[in-house]
Amino acid sequence: DGGITQSPKYLFRKEGQNVTLSCEQNLNHDAMYWYRQDPGQGLRLIYYSQIVNDFQKGDIAEGYSVSREKKESFPLTVTSAQKNPTAFYLCASRDRGFYGYTFGSGTRLTVV
Amino acid sequence: AQSVTQPDIHITVSEGASLELRCNYSYGATPYLFWYVQSPGQGLQLLLKYFSGDTLVQGIKGFEAEFKRSQSSFNLRKPSVHWSDAAEYFCAVGARGSQGNLIFGKGTKLSVKP
Repeated sequence: DGGITQSPKYLFRKEGQNVTLSCEQNLNHDAMYWYRQDPGQGLRLIYYSQIVNDFQKGDIAEGYSVSREKKESFPLTVTSAQKNPTAFYLCASRDRGFYGYTFGSGTRLTVV
Repeated sequence: AQSVTQPDIHITVSEGASLELRCNYSYGATPYLFWYVQSPGQGLQLLLKYFSGDTLVQGIKGFEAEFKRSQSSFNLRKPSVHWSDAAEYFCAVGARGSQGNLIFGKGTKLSVKP
């Protein structure tokens, strides 16, 4: 079945370390998105990419980085510059003609 | 600026009772409208969407929503709630021709009493 796979589901990081969250889709979707979710704050856009080798900052990009070398993959790196990285991270994708998103099942990142 | 407001942060209903979750949007033209549902620790699942045409749209799991242009609203309804409907619900709006980026409301958490 087509879908979006986020891995790992749970991730623990020590303070000062960078960590990369994986997002892979086999839907042949053009656009991909990263959101951060904190209790009571809804979804906040971190980065998005409309095409390969191009991406744009969202509302809360500071302390994060992304790459889009392949259409299927959109990894998110949480850097040590992100002051409060503990959160639930969601990846989504969208095809060219449909304005709704398909979401992955999320990665919960905890800084220890 | 585009915005989506879900006025109710948390709603509790009894099992079998009817449900209405409110969503208001601010937008200059007719937007695309969506409702998503999220179970704890999971991603978001699309319940239904409105693009054009009939303003009453049917979705999965027995949900429906009505687009009211005059009120800038897109409220989600269900005639009889089941315990499995307990989740968080997000309304989203997308602009036609805006590269497809959606704006999400902050969500309404639904609890269901037995």
